[in-house]
Amino acid sequence: QSALTQPASVSGSPEQSITISCTGSSSDVGAYKFVSWYQQYPGKAPKLIIYDVTKRPSGVSNRFSGSKSGNTASLTISGLQAEDEADYYCSSYTRSSTWVFGGGTKLTVL
Amino acid sequence: EVQLVESGGGLVQPGGSLRLSCATSGFTFSNFEMVWVRQAPGKGLEWVSYIDSTGDTLFYTESVKGRFLISRDNAKNSLYLQMNSLRGEDTSVYYCARPSPDSSGWRAFDYWGQGTLVTVSS
Repeated sequence: QSALTQPASVSGSPEQSITISCTGSSSDVGAYKFVSWYQQYPGKAPKLIIYDVTKRPSGVSNRFSGSKSGNTASLTISGLQAEDEADYYCSSYTRSSTWVFGGGTKLTVL
Repeated sequence: EVQLVESGGGLVQPGGSLRLSCATSGFTFSNFEMVWVRQAPGKGLEWVSYIDSTGDTLFYTESVKGRFLISRDNAKNSLYLQMNSLRGEDTSVYYCARPSPDSSGWRAFDYWGQGTLVTVSS
């Protein structure tokens, strides 16, 4: 199972919006609505910020939103804040009853 | 409060074995599937293994099949990962994680442990 494809890095200025893409295949991203996104700070455990493509866990800012079209999912962060600077990972459940993660995207807030 | 606490990591020689544990609290462990996820130094996340709530159904990523064994003890609210024939590429921080009941298929992970570092080196 190959990792999902994410851009290695993205950047944006405060208050701007950015979008991180996550491309898989018809065996994972395109197969189910089970795409999730995680935020990870250096040395810390990942934190779930989006699940089931578009849903936000309780307590997660509504500046985070998710979407999917075909085999590509996307995470959008609006109104960028300095605290959003972190690594972001997408994940998808697969037809093989396994999970696959993306390679991760480092977000820099300029 | 939900808590997941991993232990058992350390330095091991190639070909050696190690058993990781994940002690849980704050939720009814016996009702939940569980997974292990790892992260090599400076690299991304990689799903490693899955176990259903009873321990009857197990899945592994290809690279660890035949070498790693996931198990659980519902009486002790604990998850385990027995790692044998360890290789350098197994060097990672290993996280246990709980699938979210809010996810319609329980296919996202809402609680993670702090991780335990496994270093495979001579």
